[in-house]
Amino acid sequence: GAGVSQSPSNKVTEKGKDVELRCDPISGHTALYWYRQSLGQGLEFLIYFQGNSAPDKSGLPSDRFSAERTGGSVSTLTIQRTQQEDSAVYLCASSFWVGEKSYEQYFGPGTRLTVT
Amino acid sequence: TQLLEQSPQFLSIQEGENLTVYCNSSSVFSSLQWYRQEPGEGPVLLVTVVTGGEVKKLKRLTFQFGDARKDSSLHITAAQPGDTGLYLCAGARRINKFYFGSGTKLNVKP
Repeated sequence: GAGVSQSPSNKVTEKGKDVELRCDPISGHTALYWYRQSLGQGLEFLIYFQGNSAPDKSGLPSDRFSAERTGGSVSTLTIQRTQQEDSAVYLCASSFWVGEKSYEQYFGPGTRLTVT
Repeated sequence: TQLLEQSPQFLSIQEGENLTVYCNSSSVFSSLQWYRQEPGEGPVLLVTVVTGGEVKKLKRLTFQFGDARKDSSLHITAAQPGDTGLYLCAGARRINKFYFGSGTKLNVKP
């Protein structure tokens, strides 16, 4: 597939459990982003990767949230001890790094997380 | 607090009407993007504006970036039901850091 893919598409978990969300970016895209979107709202920036490093983790809501990227490709967002307020759609996007004038992000379809 | 404020939050209009969506901030952005998002999908980029005062047209959509690069507008002429969706603006303050507005939900009735 040519686009950004995310898995699972839907995840229902019990409060207190850990979850892992996966993102497969477009091949060759060096930058990868994670966002969170509450129902029908705008996107909240969580973290971005340039290659395998994360220069900006400032958006992670708490230390229960972590993310990693390996091989400059797949990324995993992990939420430990999930809480009901973590329920949202988690979106991943990727882009080329081409200097200051090209910011086109391609988004995946998202993972809808529901914490019961 | 949201760095980018969008208005209106909701807009329901008849097919054929014109509309404008606003994206405002007190901060300066190096560029600003507009996205459209449909239910169950990720946002899709419509346009990027980078120069203060820039105007870009995409068929019936006209995008403007404010002279001071703090605000932007999206104008749709003769709206169609296919324009229905959530419109999001996003500003970049430095490379690879984007701030999204809260979105405008547009419903165009046939």
